[in-house]
Amino acid sequence: GENVEQHPSTLSVQEGDSAVIKCTYSDSASNYFPWYKQELGKGPQLIIDIRSNVGEKKDQRIAVTLNKTAKHFSLHITETQPEDSAVYFCAASTGTASKLTFGTGTRLQVTL
Amino acid sequence: NAGVTQTPKFQVLKTGQSMTLQCAQDMNHNSMYWYRQDPGMGLRLIYYSASEGTTDKGEVPNGYNVSRLNKREFSLRLESAAPSQTSVYFCASSLKGWGGTSPANEQFFGPGTRLTVL
Repeated sequence: GENVEQHPSTLSVQEGDSAVIKCTYSDSASNYFPWYKQELGKGPQLIIDIRSNVGEKKDQRIAVTLNKTAKHFSLHITETQPEDSAVYFCAASTGTASKLTFGTGTRLQVTL
Repeated sequence: NAGVTQTPKFQVLKTGQSMTLQCAQDMNHNSMYWYRQDPGMGLRLIYYSASEGTTDKGEVPNGYNVSRLNKREFSLRLESAAPSQTSVYFCASSLKGWGGTSPANEQFFGPGTRLTVL
């Protein structure tokens, strides 16, 4: 089955700096890659996703890139703010009768 | 809209006790899911229900049962709780199952139930 690895497990950046979280996946048939943000005491919330027919997608300060050849995708957060502090999860799915496989999460801390 | 709601928020059980975690959604979604979240392991799928009247096993179904009571409600039952089931449990729902990659497949999560089994 699919295996998703996520790095780093923790990341500390100063406010205004950029943050990058990387994930690799094993199933070459995967074609849907969402990113979730989980704030303390809450459930995960989808923040951005990418499908295999595109290489990059942006939404204001966040962007996701996908390299299907290398089977990895990354989340980029620019101009980080304290409210970006949370745990971020990547996931992968083949989209057809398949489940979402999640990475192990990255705890991002944005310091002042 | 309340979205996805879960009860209870916290629960402590003794080994061997049983309990049911409740989940309801008011978004008229067809598919519902139960995950468990353990430190360093991300979210793992326990069971899912692609549509009302159907349920299927996920990655870690042992020790659990589910009931899709109606379109809104999807419950998770622990018949004989074990310490290994200490975890945070999340329910989620989506308009469609993951048979596709459209926005209708986005999963919305509830706030979670923190369960401790002593």
